Amino acid sequence: GQNIDQPTEMTATEGAIVQINCTYQTSGFNGLFWYQQHAGEAPTFLSYNVLDGLEEKGRFSSFLSRSKGYSYLLLKELQMKDSASYLCAVSDGATGGSYIPTFGRGTSLIVHP
Amino acid sequence: EAQVTQNPRYLITVTGKKLTVTCSQNMNHEYMSWYRQDPGLGLRQIYYSMNVEVTDKGDVPEGYKVSRKEKRNFPLILESPSPNQTSLYFCASGRGSNQPQHFGDGTRLSIL
Repeated sequence: GQNIDQPTEMTATEGAIVQINCTYQTSGFNGLFWYQQHAGEAPTFLSYNVLDGLEEKGRFSSFLSRSKGYSYLLLKELQMKDSASYLCAVSDGATGGSYIPTFGRGTSLIVHP
Repeated sequence: EAQVTQNPRYLITVTGKKLTVTCSQNMNHEYMSWYRQDPGLGLRQIYYSMNVEVTDKGDVPEGYKVSRKEKRNFPLILESPSPNQTSLYFCASGRGSNQPQHFGDGTRLSIL
């Protein structure tokens, strides 16, 4: 089984930078995903990390440290449209050899002017 | 256009009346899954399928059934719905279980 922890809610100002953390405990780690979900909509894929380090995609970056069971999603130059829930999902290879992702409860980010 | 299609989008029904939520994907994905999303609990997996005729339980399978007779379709069946199954349901698919998932638009079920 897994334990995935992320803050419930965060607020930030338009134009600023925000870091959303995710910590996890797993017995057979095989990758970590970040998804964005706007209210009333489906989650959409943002990033994937399987090796330690930083992955950058435009204004969004995601970092992973496997030894610490820790990841963060970094959002730069925040825009009002970035107000959404951000879901951390960890792929665990302990489930009979199949890598099934488990989602954290999500972090609701509110961007204000 | 690559997509995952769920139907219906909204349904209000009564306890005990069998219902099926359909899910279809046009990306030839092998992996498909069903989630329910409840306030404060996040996305919880109900069932998943690694390929045709291969299904397995997720974290909250009680009260649900699935089938995978064709690669593109993965219906979710509630044989005898109860009020505690009132929730927002998402179907998702991916090239593999360890690949990014594409989600349908969701089905909001209310069981009275």
